[in-house]
Amino acid sequence: GAVVSQHPSWVICKSGTSVKIECRSLDFQATTMFWYRQFPKQSLMLMATSNEGSKATYEQGVEKDKFLINHASLTLSTLTVTSAHPEDSSFYICSARDQVNTDTQYFGPGTRLTVL
Amino acid sequence: GESVGLHLPTLSVQEGDNSIINCAYSNSASDYFIWYKQESGKGPQFIIDIRSNMDKRQGQRVTVLLNKTVKHLSLQIAATQPGDSAVYFCAEGHQGAQKLVFGQGTRLTINP
Repeated sequence: GAVVSQHPSWVICKSGTSVKIECRSLDFQATTMFWYRQFPKQSLMLMATSNEGSKATYEQGVEKDKFLINHASLTLSTLTVTSAHPEDSSFYICSARDQVNTDTQYFGPGTRLTVL
Repeated sequence: GESVGLHLPTLSVQEGDNSIINCAYSNSASDYFIWYKQESGKGPQFIIDIRSNMDKRQGQRVTVLLNKTVKHLSLQIAATQPGDSAVYFCAEGHQGAQKLVFGQGTRLTINP
């Protein structure tokens, strides 16, 4: 149980294009999902908290117009990196909280984004 | 501000030995703690959690100890195996806050 998937697992794009990453909770409903980015040999940095049916809450320093988050259902949240640049290249990971056990976050496998 | 840190960034142990990974936290309001394991190129995997009303919790080959007096958390892995090689993160949370705060991580290497 508590499986979270992400798609795609990796993506390479040209500078200036937009990339959408999907996060799905496969066997549970998640009212809250989280988006993190992780640079090599570093810890996870929370970007935003996504609540189903409402606007995401962004962490300080994260541009909401650049990292668009949509959480339209209890099993799906999307992160769109708009006008991507090489400095946006990173490992993006989502997590989801089970509605029943609201403390534990279960993570997806991550998406490796490379912007050329 | 809030922070969760680790005493050692790297740890090497012999296969079959026990491993202890430590974590310090600073927010006395934290009442929930989780250990995650992250293998290279993968997302973090839940290992074990503990609430502040407990000081010890055991799982399969893993034990988490919580010392609230000194704000210290540890993960013990018994009879380490090559598959235990990974980066281990502790994370803290508290009731009323949605997000978790992650430590910097400890890389555990198992020597044959």
